[in-house]
Amino acid sequence: SQQGEEDPQALSIQEGENATMNCSYKTSINNLQWYRQNSGRGLVHLILIRSNEREKHSGRLRVTLDTSKKSSSLLITASRAADTASYFCATVLRETSGSRLTFGEGTQLTVNP
Amino acid sequence: DTGVSQDPRHKITKRGQNVTFRCDPISEHNRLYWYRQTLGQGPEFLTYFQNEAQLEKSRLLSDRFSAERPKGSFSTLEIQRTEQGDSAMYLCASSQVTYNEQFFGPGTRLTVL
Repeated sequence: SQQGEEDPQALSIQEGENATMNCSYKTSINNLQWYRQNSGRGLVHLILIRSNEREKHSGRLRVTLDTSKKSSSLLITASRAADTASYFCATVLRETSGSRLTFGEGTQLTVNP
Repeated sequence: DTGVSQDPRHKITKRGQNVTFRCDPISEHNRLYWYRQTLGQGPEFLTYFQNEAQLEKSRLLSDRFSAERPKGSFSTLEIQRTEQGDSAMYLCASSQVTYNEQFFGPGTRLTVL
């Protein structure tokens, strides 16, 4: 079963604008990760945030984590057409072994040139 | 070798046939994961290996599915007596250290006619 829910399901913006995607989850986590998937391809890891962290940056990406609300957000600043892809949050749950990922259903981002 | 590879990339088969997929992880990674992804959904965990030991299997992995990782290197996923509901993208991922990011292969797209 899916652990997370992403919001929105689809997002369409103009190049240069910022894109914000949200993720909610249900149970205690060890860490939360964001992945990007271009159509029909494998997933690419973007960023990992641990349960004791509140914010993390990587290039044009900013991720926040609120464990009290069981939610995370991914902000992509100054978007480019090449950012068009599906974005998934994935959690590693505290009670599971082996760091298997539990994914949400994803947000389809379209950046129009 | 700079990434996870999967073979074949596409497989079309008739219902009732057996299929086998192969995954070659990043060489120094001791953990290997299999996920299944259907259209419009996030990947779902199937099973994972640490070295040659299969340590966890999802309830999604019916008796028709079997995975192996001999010698702790490449892995195979076999589906026996395929059904139309098995049509999906099968993704392999590997990782080096517990809780770190997973590196995904390009996937094998299975179509069962």
